[in-house]
Amino acid sequence: AQKVTQAQTEISVVEKEDVTLDCVYETRDTTYYLFWYKQPPSGELVFLIRRNSFDEQNEISGRYSWNFQKSTSSFNFTITASQVVDSAVYFCALSGPGANSKLTFGKGITLSVRP
Amino acid sequence: DAGVIQSPRHEVTEMGQEVTLRCKPISGHNSLFWYRQTMMRGLELLIYFNNNVPIDDSGMPEDRFSAKMPNASFSTLKIQPSEPRDSAVYFCASRSTLRGISEKLFFGSGTQLSVL
Repeated sequence: AQKVTQAQTEISVVEKEDVTLDCVYETRDTTYYLFWYKQPPSGELVFLIRRNSFDEQNEISGRYSWNFQKSTSSFNFTITASQVVDSAVYFCALSGPGANSKLTFGKGITLSVRP
Repeated sequence: DAGVIQSPRHEVTEMGQEVTLRCKPISGHNSLFWYRQTMMRGLELLIYFNNNVPIDDSGMPEDRFSAKMPNASFSTLKIQPSEPRDSAVYFCASRSTLRGISEKLFFGSGTQLSVL
């Protein structure tokens, strides 16, 4: 069975602060994929990143960075120098290896960035 | 590309009425998912299809819910009869499975359902 835990439910920071969103997963698959999605106040779900289990290199995209650690089953997401536009709900998700694998989401973290 | 298209965007109905939600996946995508989002339960997978065939419907809450995918470009999620606890945002998502691996999902804008 797959499980994604996002223990933080709500985070509030002041603009320009760095913030890390935690994600811990459970799976029996040796090959799997991890995702982050963003849901801004407008409600749509926006894809941010997909990482496969064999690639433990950290990824950086602008102010966003992801830290994947298989040893702790974690895939954490850091926003550097946060901005008000980063205010959203952020979901971590997990999928098995195959084309028929379903995507299991965590409960989401509500991030509020105050000016 | 128009993206995943869902209709209606908003639906308000009375308890006991039949509700039909519609989804048009991205052209060329062969896998389609229905999710439900509520404050209490987050994003729950209801059912997903691959090549128009239901793969896993274990998330469908009860017999009042049914989903069909008659062809590659259209799917419906039906609730009959609807109940107030069905009030939620229902998302449809699609992806391609042609590479044989788990690709990212593209989501529609969702249908906000309110059952009074």
